[in-house]
Amino acid sequence: GAVVSQHPSRVICKSGTSVKIECRSLDFQATTMFWYRQFPKQSLMLMATSNEGSKATYEQGVEKDKFLINHASLTLSTLTVTSAHPEDSSFYICSAIRRGFYEQYFGPGTRLTVT
Amino acid sequence: GIQVEQSPPDLILQEGANSTLRCNFSDSVNNLQWFHQNPWGQLINLFYIPSGTKQNGRLSATTVATERYSLLYISSSQTTDSGVYFCAASNTGTASKLTFGTGTRLQVTL
Repeated sequence: GAVVSQHPSRVICKSGTSVKIECRSLDFQATTMFWYRQFPKQSLMLMATSNEGSKATYEQGVEKDKFLINHASLTLSTLTVTSAHPEDSSFYICSAIRRGFYEQYFGPGTRLTVT
Repeated sequence: GIQVEQSPPDLILQEGANSTLRCNFSDSVNNLQWFHQNPWGQLINLFYIPSGTKQNGRLSATTVATERYSLLYISSSQTTDSGVYFCAASNTGTASKLTFGTGTRLQVTL
């Protein structure tokens, strides 16, 4: 149990375009989902916390107008990178937790390359 | 916020060897987890262990909350154990919101 999927796994886009990444909890209801960013050989940096039916909470330094997060249901959260630039190229990872629990379960990640 | 430090940063083992990875945290915690990130980037949840000791097969973990550290033991290492091991902790009201350590990169060789 506790499987999280992400789609797409890999995406290449041109500078100035927008990209949407989906994160789904497949076998449980996720009251909270998290979005992380990871640069090569570095740790995970939390970008935002997403609760179903409410606005996401962004970490300091993360542009909420650039990284749009929507948690439309208890099994789906989306991250849209708007007007992407090469510096947005990174590995984006989502995680989810079940109601009443603290353990985070991670999706396989999405590798974004902006050309 | 809480600071999480891990050591060693890099570790190379021969298959069959044992190892201990350490995680130090700067404040009391209400959540501590260990993760393994495989070479393809997938993070696997190893232990939820804000205190005490747990074992799962060849892996075990101990958190001494009063002394602000946690240890991950890997016994009889295998090449599939290679990857990065992250410790992550929280001491906020939102106990699920984690701060990740810098990781220990493990390579197990034949």
